[in-house]
Parts: sequence; structure tokens; C-alpha cells
Amino acid sequence: EAGVVQSPRYKIIEKKQPVAFWCNPISGHNTLYWYLQNLGQGPELLIRYENEEAVDDSQLPKDRFSAERLKGVDSTLKIQPAELGDSAVYLCASSLGRGRSNEQFFGPGTRLTVL
Amino acid sequence: SQQGEEDPQALSIQEGENATMNCSYKTSINNLQWYRQNSGRGLVHLILIRSNEREKHSGRLRVTLDTSKKSSSLLITASRAADTASYFCATDNSGYSTLTFGKGTMLLVSP
Repeated sequence: EAGVVQSPRYKIIEKKQPVAFWCNPISGHNTLYWYLQNLGQGPELLIRYENEEAVDDSQLPKDRFSAERLKGVDSTLKIQPAELGDSAVYLCASSLGRGRSNEQFFGPGTRLTVL
Repeated sequence: SQQGEEDPQALSIQEGENATMNCSYKTSINNLQWYRQNSGRGLVHLILIRSNEREKHSGRLRVTLDTSKKSSSLLITASRAADTASYFCATDNSGYSTLTFGKGTMLLVSP
């Protein structure tokens, strides 16, 4: 079974440029998460989707971050414009969904460097 | 914000020894999970313990939960060099799968 797929794995951009990350969750997983992980820290939730609905986006900086999950499968996270402080690893995870197993499966992450 | 706090921040042991990591949290939980992260495999789920459970085993892993003290411990027995990784506890407050992670414990197992 394929795991959570993320691309790109690495991205280097200049500040004020836009950037987008893509995630393909495990087939059949209704819940999709985007996390941000800074060096030496644990992941912090940015947004959680139940199918195509964003049910928890309270930690998403909406002035520059946006996300979508069309058709309840793949998801894209965008930053526009990027700032120096956005340098981090962006993780995507998926799980079966509410009321079912809480175990989350993580992708390898996208390491973003903003210069 | 991060709910869990792992202790110690770093731990260095020899192969064959046991490793114990602790996690404290602040608010009531539905369940608590432990994850491992290394450069080769990313974040991997290890074990989940529900709020009405006190102890759980999985292979060489033993997890305890004390909800009165808002704390959990992860014991890895007979450690191996391959156990070298960062270990995170994550709390699920509502049962709706939103996890809050701690800062992690870095474990180094030397051959």
C-alpha cells in the first residue's frame, strides 16, 4: 500500500515569492492534515480536512496561507508571499476519519527554505 | 501551541539498555499517542493509549498513562541502534483526531 505522498521534497525560494506544496493521502483516508514543524520542535497543526471540508483551520495564518482539498482527495497548501520565518518542514498526514482509528500516517514532508 | 512536554529532551544509552521517556500534558484527553521520527522514515505512529487505559504493550514498547497526574511514559526495552530517533507524545483532546504534539525526546542508542 502506498503511503502519503508529498511533493516537492525540498524547495528554496526568495522571500515574497509564492510557493505551493502538494499532498496525496492514503487511499480511503477521509481526514487530511497539514502540519508545520520547526527545527527541534514537534509538528503543529495548520489545518484539518474531513473529506473536502476544512473543519479546523484555527492555526492557519490566513493572511498568507491557503489550502484546498478538491474532491476530498489531494490537497494543496500555498504560501503567498513567503517570509523568512516560514522556513520549516511542512508535513501532510492522513487518517481514516472521525470515529475510526486515530492513527495518523505522515508523508516525508517538504523542507522549505526562504532566503 | 504545544500541549505535551517530553522529558528528558535528550537521552543517550547503550544497546541492550532500556530507555524511558516521559510526557506531561495540561488538559484532559481522549487518547495519547507516541510517534517516532528519524531521517530515514519520517514520523511513524508507535502506539495509542485511551484515557480509560492505564498500560499498553506493543512488542518492546510499554506505555503507561496516569490521567490524575496528566502524564505518560514510554519504555523501550532492550534498545537497538535502530531505535535512535526523536520520540513525540501527542494528545487527542476531543477524539476527533486533532493531535497536539510535544517537543520530543531525542534518543541515541550506541552500539
